[in-house]
Amino acid sequence: SAVISQKPSRDICQRGTSLTIQCQVDSQVTMMFWYRQQPGQSLTLIATANQGSEATYESGFVIDKFPISRPNLTFSTLTVSNMSPEDSSIYLCSVTGTDSYEQYFGPGTRLTVT
Amino acid sequence: GQNIDQPTEMTATEGAIVQINCTYQTSGFNGLFWYQQHAGEAPTFLSYNVLDGLEEKGRFSSFLSRSKGYSYLLLKELQMKDSASYLCAVRENNNAGNMLTFGGGTRLMVKP
Repeated sequence: SAVISQKPSRDICQRGTSLTIQCQVDSQVTMMFWYRQQPGQSLTLIATANQGSEATYESGFVIDKFPISRPNLTFSTLTVSNMSPEDSSIYLCSVTGTDSYEQYFGPGTRLTVT
Repeated sequence: GQNIDQPTEMTATEGAIVQINCTYQTSGFNGLFWYQQHAGEAPTFLSYNVLDGLEEKGRFSSFLSRSKGYSYLLLKELQMKDSASYLCAVRENNNAGNMLTFGGGTRLMVKP
């Protein structure tokens, strides 16, 4: 299994600012995913981040709002830009395991925008 | 696109058996997952089905029928610690690779 860490674990931010969330994996993985889980709801995929290429965003998510970096096979960042209270959510990093079918999640970053 | 449906909430008694159903509509099906998520924690992987039939893992079993677009998660000998949300997720091949789409989750409450 993959061990995933995220920083920060939680933050409270002001409207209009930006926050960058880091995701570190203990092994090299091809595909990394960023999800959002709003209060009381299920997970929604924001984007897929592959090393060496631009991230692929799902419907409703755009690069200007959620820029993603993937500089190597063990690390990725997600930035939540120009935040509003509607961005208050848990943001989770996820990777596919070496068996290629298991998908693991990081502990999440709990973001509150005031 | 995908449409994944599961009940919002279920209640069961400690020691009993509960079945959580999930129906889906998708193209490019490439597997169905069940995750358990306790409040305030990340989802943890429970099971994976890509072929029709039943996969058993201890107290947890998962069933898949691809022709019916249907799966269920069966929890036996329920324990209080099984109180959690159970997420059904479908993997679909797309241009970005194998992505997971989640259902809304079923909140299971186990009572003594």
